[in-house]
Amino acid sequence: EAQVTQNPRYLITVTGKKLTVTCSQNMNHEYMSWYRQDPGLGLRQIYYSMNVEVTDKGDVPEGYKVSRKEKRNFPLILESPSPNQTSLYFCASSPGLGSYNEQFFGPGTRLTVL
Amino acid sequence: KQEVTQIPAALSVPEGENLVLNCSFTDSAIYNLQWFRQDPGKGLTSLLLIQSSQREQTSGRLNASLDKSSGRSTLYIAASQPGDSATYLCAVTGFAGGTSYGKLTFGQGTILTVHP
Repeated sequence: EAQVTQNPRYLITVTGKKLTVTCSQNMNHEYMSWYRQDPGLGLRQIYYSMNVEVTDKGDVPEGYKVSRKEKRNFPLILESPSPNQTSLYFCASSPGLGSYNEQFFGPGTRLTVL
Repeated sequence: KQEVTQIPAALSVPEGENLVLNCSFTDSAIYNLQWFRQDPGKGLTSLLLIQSSQREQTSGRLNASLDKSSGRSTLYIAASQPGDSATYLCAVTGFAGGTSYGKLTFGQGTILTVHP
């Protein structure tokens, strides 16, 4: 089944403890991206990647890191999480950038930073 | 920077009504516009994708239109049902030469409630 998977789905952690949220897709997509969703602020793009070893900042990249060493994986790294990073996070992928390229979303990861 | 606005923020209608959701964007340099549905606490389900060169797309009771030059899209839902209750989001992907190349920008969403 074609899908985008995220792990973990739920995570409660403490301030300053490094964490990684994994994202994987099995559709051989070139474009992958991360979003956070907050009440009243909607969905905002954190980072995106157009291909392996190519990453760019979205609208809210502060406090996050990403890497794209393989085509299928795009992990989101929080080196020193803070309470303002408590949010619902989504990973997405699409075949590439182009008019016909539909975005497919993962199920989301709910992160709480105490 | 691309900005996407959705009106209304919330909508409550009786079952069976036809309804229109609106989406506007400030930068017409886009690859496409995509409409999504999100149920409470859940992920996003893609409903329709309109390419920048297209005027409309249809899927079942849903019809989405795009007027790129004016920066507007509408999602028309025919004969609404209680199962249509959800948040509807539109998003645009920035085209080369625009203010948001490669980025996906979302609107805030319209919360739709269809009551029996």
